[in-house]
Amino acid sequence: EAQVTQNPRYLITVTGKKLTVTCSQNMNHEYMSWYRQDPGLGLRQIYYSMNVEVTDKGDVPEGYKVSRKEKRNFPLILESPSPNQTSLYFCASSPTGQGNTEAFFGQGTRLTVV
Amino acid sequence: GEDVEQSLFLSVREGDSSVINCTYTDSSSTYLYWYKQEPGAGLQLLTYIFSNMDMKQDQRLTVLLNKKDKHLSLRIADTQTGDSAIYFCAARYSSASKIIFGSGTRLSIRP
Repeated sequence: EAQVTQNPRYLITVTGKKLTVTCSQNMNHEYMSWYRQDPGLGLRQIYYSMNVEVTDKGDVPEGYKVSRKEKRNFPLILESPSPNQTSLYFCASSPTGQGNTEAFFGQGTRLTVV
Repeated sequence: GEDVEQSLFLSVREGDSSVINCTYTDSSSTYLYWYKQEPGAGLQLLTYIFSNMDMKQDQRLTVLLNKKDKHLSLRIADTQTGDSAIYFCAARYSSASKIIFGSGTRLSIRP
């Protein structure tokens, strides 16, 4: 089954403790991205990757890192989480970064930083 | 800049039609999407329309695009309780490798 898998689904952590949210897709997609969803703000892009070893900042990259060492995985790293990073995070992938392709979304990771 | 706007709430009676509206700012948008998010779930692509189309119909869903006014709407015919969700309008631009999302419209169904 074609899917985007995020782990964990739920995470509560403390300020400053490094964490990684994993994202994996099994569709051989070139393009992957991370979004955060906050009430009344919709989804905002954090980082995206056009292909292996190619990553770039989205609209709200501060406090986040990503890596794309292999095509299927695109982990989101919070080196020193802060309470304002409490949010619902979505990973997405699509065949390419062009407009004529559908984006597939993971189920989301609800992160709480206390 | 690129922006997508939609109202936050809509309440309709079961069996009526729901119309969710969206406006966008960048006329170079290539694809316009409607996503559905049910409580605790991810985003499900409902339908999309290419910017050179005016209308697209898929069973109970009708998407209308007015390019002149940069206005997009999603009509759900015979709205059911299972349609309760947040609906996101989104635009993908040929000039940028990202999808711009609206804030989402929460659709609630009255008996």
